[in-house]
Amino acid sequence: DAGVTQSPTHLIKTRGQHVTLRCSPISGHKSVSWYQQVLGQGPQFIFQYYEKEERGRGNFPDRFSARQFPNYSSELNVNALLLGDSALYLCASSYQASSYNSPLHFGNGTRLTVT
Amino acid sequence: AQSVTQLGSHVSVSEGALVLLRCNYSSSVPPYLFWYVQYPNQGLQLLLKYTSAATLVKGINGFEAEFKKSETSFHLTKPSAHMSDAAEYFCAVSPRSGNTGKLIFGQGTTLQVKP
Repeated sequence: DAGVTQSPTHLIKTRGQHVTLRCSPISGHKSVSWYQQVLGQGPQFIFQYYEKEERGRGNFPDRFSARQFPNYSSELNVNALLLGDSALYLCASSYQASSYNSPLHFGNGTRLTVT
Repeated sequence: AQSVTQLGSHVSVSEGALVLLRCNYSSSVPPYLFWYVQYPNQGLQLLLKYTSAATLVKGINGFEAEFKKSETSFHLTKPSAHMSDAAEYFCAVSPRSGNTGKLIFGQGTTLQVKP
């Protein structure tokens, strides 16, 4: 079975630009979460969507937004890119919304570099 | 607010030696606890999780972790290290309240295995 797939794998953008990252969850999984992992640090929670509704939002500015489509795939959008947005963006899917009975399955991430 | 502390950003062991990676959490109510492993240029893979069924949790690849409420700890161990265990390890917590999949990760510990 296919795992969580993310596209693109690498991306280089200039400050001030906009970026869209895409994620396809494991088949049957209804929850998608996004995490930002800055080099040398642990992942930080950005958003969770379940059944196309936002279930949680981390401490990120409004420049970050996301949505989930009827097929449960998801997009993460970041506007007005800053150098500090350079990171590995990880998508994770799970069958249910709660983490205790439905563990997260992570994709390999999108490496975003802002110059 | 819940947090996770991983003691030691780098741990180096010889092949065949005991692996001990430390994790302490701060929470008034014991949260759900997880250990994830990240290999270079890949996403995170779940090693094991604690959800209160048993204090000693066995995971994949010979790893196990023991939940100690009195010490607010969830240290990861493996009796005998293999070269293939070299990776980044993350401890994470999820609050019991609320129905979300949000994980709070520690800073990570890089495990080096020497031949």
